[in-house]
Amino acid sequence: DGGITQSPKYLFRKEGQNVTLSCEQNLNHDAMYWYRQDPGQGLRLIYYSQIVNDFQKGDIAEGYSVSREKKESFPLTVTSAQKNPTAFYLCASTPRYRSTTRIQGHTEAFFGQGTRLTVV
Amino acid sequence: AQKVTQAQTEISVVEKEDVTLDCVYETRDTTYYLFWYKQPPSGELVFLIRRNSFDEQNEISGRYSWNFQKSTSSFNFTITASQVVDSAVYFCALTPGFQKLVFGTGTRLLVSP
Repeated sequence: DGGITQSPKYLFRKEGQNVTLSCEQNLNHDAMYWYRQDPGQGLRLIYYSQIVNDFQKGDIAEGYSVSREKKESFPLTVTSAQKNPTAFYLCASTPRYRSTTRIQGHTEAFFGQGTRLTVV
Repeated sequence: AQKVTQAQTEISVVEKEDVTLDCVYETRDTTYYLFWYKQPPSGELVFLIRRNSFDEQNEISGRYSWNFQKSTSSFNFTITASQVVDSAVYFCALTPGFQKLVFGTGTRLLVSP
């Protein structure tokens, strides 16, 4: 079955440690996204990538880094610079990057099951 | 600026009651899409519906219905004859003329037997 796989489901990080969250999709989607979810704040965009080897900062990119070396994969690293990393992280993908001037063949975003990161 | 407001933080109903989840949005773009997603306890977001800014027809899908009104910038979601399995957090989202989805803060729906 096609879909998005996030791993691990639960992750614990010590203070000052970098951790990497995995996101893999087999939907042949061009664009991938990382969102952070905090209680009462909905979802906020961290980073997004429209094509391989390209990515852009979202609204809350500080303390995070990403890479897009393969179309299927978009890992997110939570660095020690992120002061409050405890949250639920969701990865998403869409079939085609939406142009800034018009929406091209737009469809819904597919989401993974999320990774819950806790600082210990 | 784009913004989605879901004023209802939590709603509790008894099974078989009808319930409406409110969504009000702000955007200066003339072309945009609106979405509703369901987040069950498992965590992943499940797509429910997409509506573009040029289509104001209401839609019904089984027990779900959506009322899109551009005049009031609202895209409300009604569940008829609610069931316990409907218990989840529901998010309304907006994508204006660019790529990112802007989410509301979500409404937690609790349906008790």
